[in-house]
Amino acid sequence: KAGVTQTPRYLIKTRGQQVTLSCSPISGHRSVSWYQQTPGQGLQFLFEYFSETQRNKGNFPGRFSGRQFSNSRSEMNVSTLELGDSALYLCASSKGAFSDTQYFGPGTRLTVL
Amino acid sequence: DAKTTQPTSMDCAEGRAANLPCNHSTISGNEYVYWYRQIHSQGPQYIIHGLKNNETNEMASLIITEDRKSSTLILPHATLRDTAVYYCIVRVLYRGDTGTASKLTFGTGTRLQVTL
Repeated sequence: KAGVTQTPRYLIKTRGQQVTLSCSPISGHRSVSWYQQTPGQGLQFLFEYFSETQRNKGNFPGRFSGRQFSNSRSEMNVSTLELGDSALYLCASSKGAFSDTQYFGPGTRLTVL
Repeated sequence: DAKTTQPTSMDCAEGRAANLPCNHSTISGNEYVYWYRQIHSQGPQYIIHGLKNNETNEMASLIITEDRKSSTLILPHATLRDTAVYYCIVRVLYRGDTGTASKLTFGTGTRLQVTL
């Protein structure tokens, strides 16, 4: 069974631009969660989607948004990029129940110049 | 959120068992203990999880104390490829915007270095 895939793997943007990252969950998984990992803050939860609805969100500004499609694929968008948005963005999928295990993708490395 | 405390770093000789401790003294009765590991710049890899009983799978064993305030992850025969940061996480259930929700809250983890 294929794992969680994320595209692109690496991305370089400049301040003020916007970016869209994509995540394809494991087949049959309906929940997708997004995390940001930086050296200073570690791994932080961004938001979770289940059946095309945002079920949960972390403490991030409104510049960070996401959505989920009917096939469970998810995208996250960051508008008006700041230098501090440089990070590894991780996507994790699970079947959907709260007790289900989350499986992570390889991440997208975003660098903002 | 139920917080976890782990040593910052540990060393282990290849072929020996690696025992990684974790304290989670504020854990609630319905909260699971999860272990993930992350090899440099890769996505976290799920290892094992448990609620009350000890668990074992092909990767590791998880020993949870009877009072559930601490646990130990055991890698029975560590190899160089087990060098990674190991995260002990309590999966928290709480009231979110749209009802009951859960999330994984990662701490700083234990950096395990396996050496020859």
